[in-house]
Amino acid sequence: AQKITQTQPGMFVQEKEAVTLDCTYDTSDQSYGLFWYKQPSSGEMIFLIYQGSYDEQNATEGRYSLNFQKARKSANLVISASQLGDSAMYFCAMREDGGFKTIFGAGTRLFVKA
Amino acid sequence: DTGVSQDPRHKITKRGQNVTFRCDPISEHNRLYWYRQTLGQGPEFLTYFQNEAQLEKSRLLSDRFSAERPKGSFSTLEIQRTEQGDSAMYLCASSSQGRNSPLHFGNGTRLTVT
Repeated sequence: AQKITQTQPGMFVQEKEAVTLDCTYDTSDQSYGLFWYKQPSSGEMIFLIYQGSYDEQNATEGRYSLNFQKARKSANLVISASQLGDSAMYFCAMREDGGFKTIFGAGTRLFVKA
Repeated sequence: DTGVSQDPRHKITKRGQNVTFRCDPISEHNRLYWYRQTLGQGPEFLTYFQNEAQLEKSRLLSDRFSAERPKGSFSTLEIQRTEQGDSAMYLCASSSQGRNSPLHFGNGTRLTVT
């Protein structure tokens, strides 16, 4: 069965520093995709970055990068040069390529300090 | 791209009443999902439509819950005989087909059952 684990309920980071949000996953499929979403206090879920299980390079999107370690089944999100607007909940999610259901972890709340 | 819209944004109802929520997905998207999110948790999958066909329902979706997507366009989620445990944010999302297609979420309907 698919499962996503985010072990950090809350994280603090100083503005302009980098932060890593942890995500581990479990699946028996070889082909799947991993996603990260941001949910500010306003409530909308915003897609940030995608990594396919067969992608050889780690995904990057602006200040977001995904540290993908397939053997360890981890897909950590790295945010560089944190900004106050990065304060939000962050969710790791996975979808098996043969399926349609995206499952989510419990999330990590990030606080960026000025 | 006008985004996913949900109506209403908030709904307060008394226990035992029926409620119906509406979701208008992004027009080009043939996949539509309903999720439920409680405070401090990640979204939980409820049901999925591909065009007008409802292809999966979660065990979370008791027989008091029903969803439709007539003609493969907008979708409705109805909860009959609401209970206090139904209080949550109900999120609708849509996506195109493709392994790297992310979910595009609406702003959700917050249901409070008193």
